[in-house]
Amino acid sequence: ETGVTQSPTHLIKTRGQQVTLRCSSQSGHNTVSWYQQALGQGPQFIFQYYREEENGRGNFPPRFSGLQFPNYSSELNVNALELDDSALYLCASRYDLGSYEQYFGPGTRLTVT
Amino acid sequence: KNEVEQSPQNLTAQEGEFITINCSYSVGISALHWLQQHPGGGIVSLFMLSSGKKKHGRLIATINIQEKHSSLHITASHPRDSAVYICALRGGSQGNLIFGKGTKLSVKP
Repeated sequence: ETGVTQSPTHLIKTRGQQVTLRCSSQSGHNTVSWYQQALGQGPQFIFQYYREEENGRGNFPPRFSGLQFPNYSSELNVNALELDDSALYLCASRYDLGSYEQYFGPGTRLTVT
Repeated sequence: KNEVEQSPQNLTAQEGEFITINCSYSVGISALHWLQQHPGGGIVSLFMLSSGKKKHGRLIATINIQEKHSSLHITASHPRDSAVYICALRGGSQGNLIFGKGTKLSVKP
């Protein structure tokens, strides 16, 4: 148990729809990163939030957006879903921006049909 | 070329065998992680290394910074070790991780 939770566990959406995925970080962790893991691939960095501000972004389009809240929870929003967005979405929290140890949630499996 | 290369991609072993998974990388790093991912998807951190060697139970991880290479060893492998093992670099300027594709290990009884 890492103390990081994600919801929902599984989700099925239709192309063009919008989705919100949620992550609850460990208490006191002010940095959260989101990753996308396609089937058979390693996770890819989407973005990270530090003290409720976006603090870095990978090679993902603007239709991937996020929020981080003062209560250590965060959201990943994806607009205009595409079939290729089908993946496992992982969040990982850490105590601070400079901390090395990251704690992963169990992931949300998104299927876009 | 990927920044992180793992080998082998797939590995099948008999219970009790000694297992080695390799990770090579091409960028400067501040730390390297070995992670374990079970079929359900959740990721568990096994080791974080910046130099030398670490041991935890039957697992041993080594890193050679000059050669940009790390290995994960499992001694006396067991079916419960079956999982995907992922090497990840902490090299991004933002502190994000750069992942390898993973090695799928299956240990047969």
